[in-house]
Amino acid sequence: EAAVTQSPRNKVAVTGGKVTLSCNQTNNHNNMYWYRQDTGHGLRLIHYSYGAGSTEKGDIPDGYKASRPSQENFSLILELATPSQTSVYFCASGGGAGEQYFGPGTRLTVL
Amino acid sequence: AQSVTQPDARVTVSEGASLQLRCKYSYSGTPYLFWYVQYPRQGLQLLLKYYSGDPVVQGVNGFEAEFSKSNSSFHLRKASVHWSDSAVYFCVPITGNTGKLIFGLGTTLQVQP
Repeated sequence: EAAVTQSPRNKVAVTGGKVTLSCNQTNNHNNMYWYRQDTGHGLRLIHYSYGAGSTEKGDIPDGYKASRPSQENFSLILELATPSQTSVYFCASGGGAGEQYFGPGTRLTVL
Repeated sequence: AQSVTQPDARVTVSEGASLQLRCKYSYSGTPYLFWYVQYPRQGLQLLLKYYSGDPVVQGVNGFEAEFSKSNSSFHLRKASVHWSDSAVYFCVPITGNTGKLIFGLGTTLQVQP
């Protein structure tokens, strides 16, 4: 079954530490996206990718890096995690028609 | 710039009642529009999508939406809601140039037994 999966599902990190969130999709979509969701803000786009080897900045890229090593995998990297990055992170994949399919989310807490 | 407004932050209905969640869009042309649903502590699921053509589009779980150019609206409807429909519903447009989705805060639906 085609799907978007994320790992880990829950993560507790320390301030200043490095955090990597992983996303895998079996939809064979070219586009992949990373969002964060916070109370009062809805979903905000952090980074996205049009295919393997490409990454683009979204609306709130500061403090985040992204990596797309293959069609299936898209990672979000927090090199120096801060408490303000405590959030729920969603990965999505999307085809040419524009609709996006979301993973279950990763709940990140930075202490 | 393209945008949508969901004027109702929260809607409460009784189980078995009909439902309409409102969405008004602002766009000079014909927008691409989606409705997504987010159940508690889950990711977002695509309910239905509109690109062009028949203004009434059918979605999953008995949901449908009607696109109206004259009213600049894309309201979501369901004939009879179930308690499991309690969730947050997002009306989402695509930006014309980049294909990025624009998410607002959505409408929280609470279905009372």
